[in-house]
Amino acid sequence: GAVVSQHPSRVICKSGTSVKIECRSLDFQATTMFWYRQFPKQSLMLMATSNEGSKATYEQGVEKDKFLINHASLTLSTLTVASAHPEDSSFYICSATTGNEKLFFGSGTQLSVL
Amino acid sequence: EDQVTQSPEALRLQEGESSSLNCSYTVSGLRGLFWYRQDPGKGPEFLFTLYSAGEEKEKERLKATLTKKESFLHITAPKPEDSATYLCAVLSTGNQFYFGTGTSLTVIP
Repeated sequence: GAVVSQHPSRVICKSGTSVKIECRSLDFQATTMFWYRQFPKQSLMLMATSNEGSKATYEQGVEKDKFLINHASLTLSTLTVASAHPEDSSFYICSATTGNEKLFFGSGTQLSVL
Repeated sequence: EDQVTQSPEALRLQEGESSSLNCSYTVSGLRGLFWYRQDPGKGPEFLFTLYSAGEEKEKERLKATLTKKESFLHITAPKPEDSATYLCAVLSTGNQFYFGTGTSLTVIP
């Protein structure tokens, strides 16, 4: 089955540091990738949708200058949390779609900002 | 308004006690309905995709069914290892994904 690889799985950083999270589709070309945030015991919250080669579309309330998304190729999207602060601590998950009605998720990244 | 609603929010079952999880949806047009399992600290794991009313899919103790308004995830004789959050998502004909808030299942030995 299709695999989505997400790295790193865990990041601990100091306040003010920028953190980059990678999401790769390993065996398919992902026309669209999604980024989510998830708080403990809550469901996924869609942050943004990115299509290869174009600017990401952000959900209402998500700061695009804080959460920078780059979808440089059909197999790679990155989320950079700029100047992270403790309130940015969360579980971040990506997903990718083949455009053929398939949606697969990465394993998630736990970000802890001290 | 397009949306997906899952119920119940949480479900506790005794081992061996069969039950069903519900996913109700209202979208302008359905391309597919997805079920996922999520364990704490991990990304959702794909279980099933259903495309049209009347369709059913099975995997071990799980069976997913679909009508024009809802989907059920039936769990037969659950085991403690089935404990997880089960997520439902819908892909509309407008190519938008809509997610439910999940059902947290706990199976007690």
